[in-house]
Amino acid sequence: SQQGEEDPQALSIQEGENATMNCSYKTSINNLQWYRQNSGRGLVHLILIRSNEREKHSGRLRVTLDTSKKSSSLLITASRAADTASYFCATDEEGFQKLVFGTGTRLLVSP
Amino acid sequence: NAGVTQTPKFQVLKTGQSMTLQCAQDMNHEYMSWYRQDPGMGLRLIHYSVGAGITDQGEVPNGYNVSRSTTEDFPLRLLSAAPSQTSVYFCASSAPGQAGNTIYFGEGSWLTVV
Repeated sequence: SQQGEEDPQALSIQEGENATMNCSYKTSINNLQWYRQNSGRGLVHLILIRSNEREKHSGRLRVTLDTSKKSSSLLITASRAADTASYFCATDEEGFQKLVFGTGTRLLVSP
Repeated sequence: NAGVTQTPKFQVLKTGQSMTLQCAQDMNHEYMSWYRQDPGMGLRLIHYSVGAGITDQGEVPNGYNVSRSTTEDFPLRLLSAAPSQTSVYFCASSAPGQAGNTIYFGEGSWLTVV
């Protein structure tokens, strides 16, 4: 399979806690993106980090990228019940027009 | 803005039937693609197009055909549906260099082949 790996597969936390999910990929990339998918809906773009960046922030989201380890992490701080969703990483290791998605992390945030 | 529009939302097919999933985008994006998502998995690329008249295969192209006669539309055709094609299908579009290479997805088409 060309898919990247994400862990954990599922994560259950309480509101206010931080959530961290990790993504690994296989070959060199130009950028890595994180997407969110609510149940029964399409994917929504969250953040993009380029291969020459090590960390990027957007609101309560913090993304890191370690190209030497071919891995990335997504941190959601002060989580809310509305953050409950599946989160996917995607890389352009096969080319920009051929995103390779990870297997996803299902996040459940309980009130 | 409509963004990426997929139809139908839900479809049940019998084995051997044919159908077309429609996808349209109103953002004048050059790139369009089709993905399928199976339970517990990420998206896998079926076919993609880098512009009108140009298509190419992705990771899982077997059993599917595409065409790109206009910039706006990118239909996906199942010529003879099989139970293995039961999945959720997502169309996506993007324009290189815009908005940080963001991909815009449709809301998905749920297909069941019985």
